[in-house]
Amino acid sequence: DADVTQTPRNRITKTGKRIMLECSQTKGHDRMYWYRQDPGLGLRLIYYSFDVKDINKGEISDGYSVSRQAQAKFSLSLESAIPNQTALYFCATSVASNTEAFFGQGTRLTVV
Amino acid sequence: GENVEQHPSTLSVQEGDSAVIKCTYSDSASNYFPWYKQELGKRPQLIIDIRSNVGEKKDQRIAVTLNKTAKHFSLHITETQPEDSAVYFCAAKKAAGNKLTFGGGTRVLVKP
Repeated sequence: DADVTQTPRNRITKTGKRIMLECSQTKGHDRMYWYRQDPGLGLRLIYYSFDVKDINKGEISDGYSVSRQAQAKFSLSLESAIPNQTALYFCATSVASNTEAFFGQGTRLTVV
Repeated sequence: GENVEQHPSTLSVQEGDSAVIKCTYSDSASNYFPWYKQELGKRPQLIIDIRSNVGEKKDQRIAVTLNKTAKHFSLHITETQPEDSAVYFCAAKKAAGNKLTFGGGTRVLVKP
């Protein structure tokens, strides 16, 4: 089945380290998104991309950067991780903004 | 930007009873309203969505209603079952916008 895959699934890193979260998809969708999930705050958009040449900031992009290496790959980087970036991160894809978003399994990141 | 508020944050119901979750949105230009269900440890998945040209949509035990004048929409689950226990997220998207704004989530517990 076509899917959205995130790696790693869990990661513990130290404050100040650079870390990359990866997302790949076999759904053939152009639109890809990175969300952050915190208890009580829902899903907040970090960055989104509509094709390999299109990158857009979301609600909470400070402290994050992204790279769209191919239609199927969208990576999220934390240049210098800090403890309040501890969260569950989801990648998602969609055909269009007003159609179903398909989420990856999530990456649980802990910054100590 | 768009702001989506979701209530209640937690909801406990007896099996067989109904559950109702309400969301309000701030931007009258919003025209797409999906609902996602996230089971414990799993990824969010779309369960139903509604567009602004429709006032109500139903799918088996799940229904969504939209009141554009009051800028709120609600999820109704009838005859709740233990497998309905999950976190539910509402979201909204502006007609001219490119991204979804999510509510903070409602944790639903169905007691047998």
